[in-house]
Amino acid sequence: AQSVTQLGSHVSVSEGALVLLRCNYSSSVPPYLFWYVQYPNQGLQLLLKYTSAATLVKGINGFEAEFKKSETSFHLTKPSAHMSDAAEYFCAVSGTLTGTASKLTFGTGTRLQVTL
Amino acid sequence: DTEVTQTPKHLVMGMTNKKSLKCEQHMGHRAMYWYKQKAKKPPELMFVYSYEKLSINESVPSRFSPECPNSSLLNLHLHALQPEDSALYLCASSHGRTGSYEQYFGPGTRLTVT
Repeated sequence: AQSVTQLGSHVSVSEGALVLLRCNYSSSVPPYLFWYVQYPNQGLQLLLKYTSAATLVKGINGFEAEFKKSETSFHLTKPSAHMSDAAEYFCAVSGTLTGTASKLTFGTGTRLQVTL
Repeated sequence: DTEVTQTPKHLVMGMTNKKSLKCEQHMGHRAMYWYKQKAKKPPELMFVYSYEKLSINESVPSRFSPECPNSSLLNLHLHALQPEDSALYLCASSHGRTGSYEQYFGPGTRLTVT
């Protein structure tokens, strides 16, 4: 079984400060890992994905994540927070269902607050 | 283009009503999904269609009935819902190719059952 754990249900940073959102995974096979962002009353938007091609993954809006197998981690970072980054962030791990469809297992989410 | 559209955006229905949610994608994806999301929780998988065939039903009550008329469309038919079914219903799609598992989500339908 695959799972992800997001440490910290709520993270608050000042505008311009480093953003670090933590995600640890558990998987018996090489994982496919994702970060999604959800703004209020909207769907989930894919920020970035890890598919074993490179351990440092760059995504949209200046976010990146580093896959560390030894630590079973896939933490999300952004060097300088912007007010528009305030949202809910979900880490997810994918397992295959039928070889074609996938099953995403989500973490419980981290709400990012950005203050002036 | 990575767009999944959902209609309607908002829906209020009584417990005796019948309504349908619609989802559409034109990315050529062959896997489509319905999720239910309650406030401050991650999405919960309800149904998975792969190549227009239902492949997963996550023990969803029969008052929810999915339908996949073609590879671009996914419907969720609702009947005799309960107030606890009020939630954000999200549709998603993925390529359906081995190794390409990211899912693209629509904006959701906010459902309120009165």
